[in-house]
Amino acid sequence: QVQLLQSGGDLVRPGGSLRLSCAASGFTFTDYYINWIRQAPGKGLEWLSFISPSGDHPPYADSVKGRFTISRDNAKNSVFLHMNSLRVEDTAVYYCARWAEAWHAFDVWGQGTMVTVSS
Amino acid sequence: VLTQSPGTLSLSPGERATLSCRASQTVSSTHLTWYQQKPGLAPSLLIYGASNRATGIPDRFSGSGSGIDFTLTISRLEPEDFAVYYCQYYTSVPVTFGGGTKVEIK
Repeated sequence: QVQLLQSGGDLVRPGGSLRLSCAASGFTFTDYYINWIRQAPGKGLEWLSFISPSGDHPPYADSVKGRFTISRDNAKNSVFLHMNSLRVEDTAVYYCARWAEAWHAFDVWGQGTMVTVSS
Repeated sequence: VLTQSPGTLSLSPGERATLSCRASQTVSSTHLTWYQQKPGLAPSLLIYGASNRATGIPDRFSGSGSGIDFTLTISRLEPEDFAVYYCQYYTSVPVTFGGGTKVEIK
């Protein structure tokens, strides 16, 4: 079964750090780009970053550039989002999603993990 | 920028729903995608390439459009179709999502 299983969401203080994980199964992990997308409470979807199979030069949304880092471990079929200097406005559900180049779309999504930044 | 309208659509089961996604500049139909999101769940792929239904999507869902104007149509609303719908476009970063249209039960 093709799936992305997420973990790592938590309550964290402003200025704190957190690492989110996204574990893939059921497909050839190294064939795909993986993205992180978030959704603030009651709001729409915001793309954050993606990582290629090789992991080279991932791009970031301006809102998280310099604070968040995406990485992947192909041996463990996993992608990570390292979040530093967290702000209240980073509070959101974070999703990882597989990019299907054939359809030019996000075709598989993780279940989401909640990050709450609050003092 | 992708602008979706209306923000909320109040309809009854069995009615037709027409959702709009307007781009701020001409976009390729190949790269225009629609997603459905039900409460508490992740979005799911609905339509890709502006008009192609994803695997398992019933034929009451259809997508159309070109240039700057795209439309998602649900021919007869079923109870499970009441959800939020997002359009999305990508050719270069950042990936762009529309603000969403909520289809609610009238």
